[in-house]
Amino acid sequence: IAGITQAPTSQILAAGRRMTLRCTQDMRHNAMYWYRQDLGLGLRLIHYSNTAGTTGKGEVPDGYSVSRANTDDFPLTLASAVPSQTSVYFCASKPEGGLLGDYGYTFGSGTRLTVV
Amino acid sequence: GIQVEQSPPDLILQEGANSTLRCNFSDSVNNLQWFHQNPWGQLINLFYIPSGTKQNGRLSATTVATERYSLLYISSSQTTDSGVYFCAVERGGSEKLVFGKGTKLTVNP
Repeated sequence: IAGITQAPTSQILAAGRRMTLRCTQDMRHNAMYWYRQDLGLGLRLIHYSNTAGTTGKGEVPDGYSVSRANTDDFPLTLASAVPSQTSVYFCASKPEGGLLGDYGYTFGSGTRLTVV
Repeated sequence: GIQVEQSPPDLILQEGANSTLRCNFSDSVNNLQWFHQNPWGQLINLFYIPSGTKQNGRLSATTVATERYSLLYISSSQTTDSGVYFCAVERGGSEKLVFGKGTKLTVNP
């Protein structure tokens, strides 16, 4: 089934540890995104990538890094986790343009991360 | 930046009732989507609708881009419709989908 796969589904992480959240899509979408969702703050963009080899910063990039070595994968790394990074993380992708003109975003199922 | 306002913030319905959710946005957009976040936290894309009208089963949506609003209609609601409905918009070249705060829908049996 075409879509976005995120791993892990959930994780409890000790503060100061390094963690990589994985995101893979099989739709050949050029653009990919990482959002975090927090109660009362909604969904906020962390980083994005318009195409393989390029990345950009979103609203809340501090403490996070990304890479885009190929079209399908867009991992998000927390170099040294802090409790304020406790959140639900969503990966998303968007096509250049679909056959039916659907340029909409598709979201993964999310990773629930707790930093203690 | 662009502002997205959704109303009502909360809605409680009896199964079988119809409802209308509204999304107002402050600037022209080239992308507008409606999402349903189910109780398990999954974000399900309902409609990509920067303009015009679309229907999918019991759900339909209309966007009037010139007046900067969109409506999501849910007919004959079911308990499985419960969750939070988000409107999200993107301006051309912004590389960012901006979400409203959502409408929390509860459908009681």
